[in-house]
Parts: sequence; C-alpha cells; structure tokens
Amino acid sequence: EAGVTQFPSHSVIEKGQTVTLRCDPISGHDNLYWYRRVMGKEIKFLLHFVKESKQDESGMPNNRFLAERTGGTYSTLKVQPAELEDSGVYFCASSPPGSYTGELFFGEGSRLTVL
Amino acid sequence: QKEVEQNSGPLSVPEGAIASLNCTYSDRGSQSFFWYRQYSGKSPELIMFIYSNGDKEDGRFTAQLNKASQYVSLLIRDSQPSDSATYLCAGGAGNTGKLIFGQGTTLQVKP
Repeated sequence: EAGVTQFPSHSVIEKGQTVTLRCDPISGHDNLYWYRRVMGKEIKFLLHFVKESKQDESGMPNNRFLAERTGGTYSTLKVQPAELEDSGVYFCASSPPGSYTGELFFGEGSRLTVL
Repeated sequence: QKEVEQNSGPLSVPEGAIASLNCTYSDRGSQSFFWYRQYSGKSPELIMFIYSNGDKEDGRFTAQLNKASQYVSLLIRDSQPSDSATYLCAGGAGNTGKLIFGQGTTLQVKP
C-alpha cells in the first residue's frame, strides 16, 4: 500500500511568486493534515480536513495560504504570494476514518525555498 | 515558554546502551502523547503513543508519562546505530490529530 506522497519534494521560487504543493493521502484516509517546519523551529499544525471539509484551520498563518481538498481525495496547499518567511518543509499527514488522535501517517514533506 | 520542550541534543550513546529522551509540556489540556522518529530527509514515523500515567512498553521502547509533573520520556533499550535519528515528542488534546510538537532530540548511537 502506498504511503502519503507529496509533490514536489523541493521547490525554489522568488519572493512574490506562487507555489502549489500537493498531497496524496493513503487511500481511504478521510483525515488529512498539513503541518510545516520553518528552519530552526518545531513542526507546527496548519489545518485539518475531514474528507473535503476543513475541520480546523486555526494554524494557517495568513490569507496568503489556501488549502483545498476537492472531492475529498488529494489536497493542495497554495502560497500566493510567497514571502521569505514561508521557507520551510511542509508536511502532509493522514489518518483513517473515525480516527481523531495523533496517530498520523506523514509524507516526506515538500521543501519550499523562497529567495 | 514553548508548549512542548525537548533538548535538541545531540544525545550520544554507545551501542547497546539505554537512550533516554525527555520531553516536558506546559498545556495541562494535553491528554495524549506521541513519539515520532524522523530519519534525515524522511517522514516522521510514529513509534509510540501513551495516554495514561505510567509506563508503556513495546519491544525495545518504553514510553513514560507523568501528568502531575507534565513530563514524558522515551527509553530505548539496547540502542542500535539504526536508532540514530531525530525523535519528536508531540502532545495532543485527545480527540484530534492536531499535535503540538517539540523541536526534537537528535540521537546518535555509536558502534
């Protein structure tokens, strides 16, 4: 069974540009989470989808970030326009239906570098 | 004050020794705790979780939770070089996958 996959693995963009990160959760996992780790800091929660609905988006830093999960399968996280402080590693994680605990399956992350 | 604190290390132990990784938390609302292992450039992987005070053992790993002291630990017995990784402690509210992570402790097991 495939794990959580994320694309791209690394993206380098200029300040002011747009980047879209994609996450494919484990098949059948209704819960999908986005986390990010900024250089030197801890991994921080961004938001949680249950199927296509945003359950909790309290960690989204500002309105330059837009997450979607159309159809309740894969999810995208768009940063527009990107700023220097957005550089970091963006992790996606998923868990099975009805699981509302921290037992998550993580992807390897998408590293974003904003120049 | 950080909500979950870990010593970033590196913690260096010889092969075969016991590695002790510690974590403190400030939010008394945290009800569940998780230890994730992350190899460099790879995904965090759940290795232990604990919800109740006391010890929980799984193979070479023992998680310990003391809610009164707001302290969580992970013991790795018979440490192997393959255990060399960053260990992330995370707290959760119990009914959500929204976790609060510490910065992680880097463990080096020397042959």
